[in-house]
Amino acid sequence: LAKTTQPISMDSYEGQEVNITCSHNNIATNDYITWYQQFPSQGPRFIIQGYKTKVTNEVASLFIPADRKSSTLSLPRVSLSDTAVYYCLVVSSGGSYIPTFGRGTSLIVHP
Amino acid sequence: EPEVTQTPSHQVTQMGQEVILRCVPISNHLYFYWYRQILGQKVEFLVSFYNNEISEKSEIFDDQFSVERPDGSNFTLKIRSTKLEDSAMYFCASSVPTLTGGNSPLHFGNGTRLTVT
Repeated sequence: LAKTTQPISMDSYEGQEVNITCSHNNIATNDYITWYQQFPSQGPRFIIQGYKTKVTNEVASLFIPADRKSSTLSLPRVSLSDTAVYYCLVVSSGGSYIPTFGRGTSLIVHP
Repeated sequence: EPEVTQTPSHQVTQMGQEVILRCVPISNHLYFYWYRQILGQKVEFLVSFYNNEISEKSEIFDDQFSVERPDGSNFTLKIRSTKLEDSAMYFCASSVPTLTGGNSPLHFGNGTRLTVT
């Protein structure tokens, strides 16, 4: 199971782009990188998932370099409502599929 | 968008009592999970369930815990004799298998806050 490391906390301001980087040095060939968001007293919510290069959806972009040992979640033009904890997970596409959450990154967006 | 629903949103019980937490997963999902989150701590995996049986469980999921899919829509977590340290948010999640053979990302409910006094 690939271990992930991400900053404990980040601060930003409304309208800025936020990039949260996660390292996963021992990622395996059949592992995917998945990011979740969690607001207080709510369940985690899937944001984006990728295997390599770049993935973009209506919420965020995910950048994964060729060696896949890290990934960066990019949130464009954050608002106050983006204040949440963001989790980077490495999940196997086969066999045991148990997403394991770490401490995540607590993002606080200031006015 | 379909969602996972959990009831009750808040359950208060006395130590030693049995509780049943209920979940209705998304209707076409085949994999079901329970996680818990003690206040201020990580989201911890408890158990996964597929094809009417437990597929994996963590060390937390001891003999005090059990899961059941009593009908085609509900998925329940039972704690037989609650302890103070069982106080936590309990999240149910579900997912579907993908064409590549893995699973899709998990869809979580908003949880049941269990308070054991």
